[in-house]
Amino acid sequence: DSGVTQTPKHLITATGQRVTLRCSPRSGDLSVYWYQQSLDQGLQFLIHYYNGEERAKGNILERFSAQQFPDLHSELNLSSLELGDSALYFCASSVLAGGLADTQYFGPGTRLTVL
Amino acid sequence: QKEVEQDPGPLSVPEGAIVSLNCTYSNSAFQYFMWYRQYSRKGPELLMYTYSSGNKEDGRFTAQVDKSSKYISLFIRDSQPSDSATYLCAMTLNRDDKIIFGKGTRLHILP
Repeated sequence: DSGVTQTPKHLITATGQRVTLRCSPRSGDLSVYWYQQSLDQGLQFLIHYYNGEERAKGNILERFSAQQFPDLHSELNLSSLELGDSALYFCASSVLAGGLADTQYFGPGTRLTVL
Repeated sequence: QKEVEQDPGPLSVPEGAIVSLNCTYSNSAFQYFMWYRQYSRKGPELLMYTYSSGNKEDGRFTAQVDKSSKYISLFIRDSQPSDSATYLCAMTLNRDDKIIFGKGTRLHILP
């Protein structure tokens, strides 16, 4: 158990809908990273927040947005969902602001299915 | 050309064998190289991390980086059924840059 929690574990929704994925980092970690994992694209970095502020953006679509709240939990909002958005969404956390993977701990993921 | 190429497998080897997993990459500026293990229905976990070229050993695992060939390897000695998982290589330009992952190789260790 990495100490990172993600809810829900599974989410099934329809095209055009909007969903919110939630992540609670490990106690004491200030950074939260969001990743998308699909068979086609593999694991791809979406966005990084550090202590409430956006630090870096990766391959995140404009239909997706994220935020990190004062209690450090983070939410990833996916809107106007398409079939191709079906994937595993992982959250990772780290103490530091840097992106180096040796400091990142991954959560168990949220499996999103868009029908 | 993709930034990071990794054979998806599956790779099946008998218990006790030496396993070799590999990735190639196109960007010669990558400096930090990592290997992650991901069990089914779990998030990735970091196995090994190396900076620049050379070897790094940790128990049964050895990571090698050949920057001249843009090729990285992970060797697993005395493989165990519990090593059955997907192994992802990853790399980044510097400590603060985004991490680029390979698509992963599925490994099966046969008892």
